[in-house]
Amino acid sequence: KQEVTQIPAALSVPEGENLVLNCSFTDSAIYNLQWFRQDPGKGLTSLLLIQSSQREQTSGRLNASLDKSSGRSTLYIAASQPGDSATYLCAVSEGGATNKLIFGTGTLLAVQP
Amino acid sequence: DAGITQSPRHKVTETGTPVTLRCHQTENHRYMYWYRQDPGHGLRLIHYSYGVKDTDKGEVSDGYSVSRSKTEDFLLTLESATSSQTSVYFCAISEEGDYEQYFGPGTRLTVT
Repeated sequence: KQEVTQIPAALSVPEGENLVLNCSFTDSAIYNLQWFRQDPGKGLTSLLLIQSSQREQTSGRLNASLDKSSGRSTLYIAASQPGDSATYLCAVSEGGATNKLIFGTGTLLAVQP
Repeated sequence: DAGITQSPRHKVTETGTPVTLRCHQTENHRYMYWYRQDPGHGLRLIHYSYGVKDTDKGEVSDGYSVSRSKTEDFLLTLESATSSQTSVYFCAISEEGDYEQYFGPGTRLTVT
């Protein structure tokens, strides 16, 4: 059974710091991996999606990498800002047309001004 | 933002009562999903739909049923609510060939 783990559960950094969030999964036979952001009391906002054939995706200050063989993905946030404070979730899809997602429990990020 | 709404946004109900949550989309996407989010468990899939009247179970489907009579609406029903079903419920959509999932704002359900 696929399991997705995110470590650390919480992270606090000063503004301007570059940081890395980690996501690991137990079964490397994934179809894609998606990173989300969740603000308190809100829904999930998709940040980046990486197909299994890709190694990384970039959007603005965000860069996500994928290493299927080792079962790991990282989300790199450059020059962090207080507005980046949120919970970051990763989720993997094991394929099939229905694209059901299996989520990690998230990393709560606080960027201190 | 993807056009997804959920209703109600908040609900308090008593144990044993039936509850129906609604997800409505304006994107005409084929796939719709219901997840629940609980502390320590992350989001878990309850049921999903791959077309009108086509649904299937997810990881935590016991105590829940779903219906999809129109492309735009996906209903989640708790036949007899229990305290263990207190949670935040999220609806999501995706389209064939576009593997990205888009989420609604969520419904906070409290069963007393």
